[in-house]
Amino acid sequence: ELKVEQNPLFLSMQEGKNYTIYCNYSTTSDRLYWYRQDPGKSLESLFVLLSNGAVKQEGRLMASLDTKARLSTLHITAAVHDLSATYFCAVVTDKLIFGTGTRLQVFP
Amino acid sequence: DAGVIQSPRHEVTEMGQEVTLRCKPISGHDYLFWYRQTMMRGLELLIYFNNNVPIDDSGMPEDRFSAKMPNASFSTLKIQPSEPRDSAVYFCASSLTSRRETQYFGPGTRLLVL
Repeated sequence: ELKVEQNPLFLSMQEGKNYTIYCNYSTTSDRLYWYRQDPGKSLESLFVLLSNGAVKQEGRLMASLDTKARLSTLHITAAVHDLSATYFCAVVTDKLIFGTGTRLQVFP
Repeated sequence: DAGVIQSPRHEVTEMGQEVTLRCKPISGHDYLFWYRQTMMRGLELLIYFNNNVPIDDSGMPEDRFSAKMPNASFSTLKIQPSEPRDSAVYFCASSLTSRRETQYFGPGTRLLVL
């Protein structure tokens, strides 16, 4: 059974700091998504990573994929309050399997 | 485009009652997915359709749950009879031509079964 684990589960960070969220998965996949969910809201697609070594960046967020290590990272640079949300990675096999989510809170 | 539309947005019902959740996918999308989100189990895929045909319903928890897609623009998820443990947020999502492509999620239906 495919497992998708994220760590940390909760992250409280100060504005201006950098941090990385990790997504590990247990089976072969060549496609991985990152989604964002604001409290009480729906999920919004942030990135799709399509191959080993893929890197995508938008604003203060940068995602990367290492298919050999079965690892994806979401790096946050100089965090701001607006980034506070829950971030999910999702791995594609025959269907989309979501990770446990990382709840990020950015404080002044 | 209006995005994926779900109704109702909130539903409160009593145990034993029938609940019907509705979804309108993005026009032109061939795939439709139903998910359930709870604190304990996270996001779970319940069932998905391709061109209105159910492809994989292995995530449907039990026979009390059923889903239909009578046409390309409408799907329902029905729970009969409902139980308190069915309380969750139910999301509908759609994707264009493949289950591997980006899925666009609706706003969700928050279901509370008393």
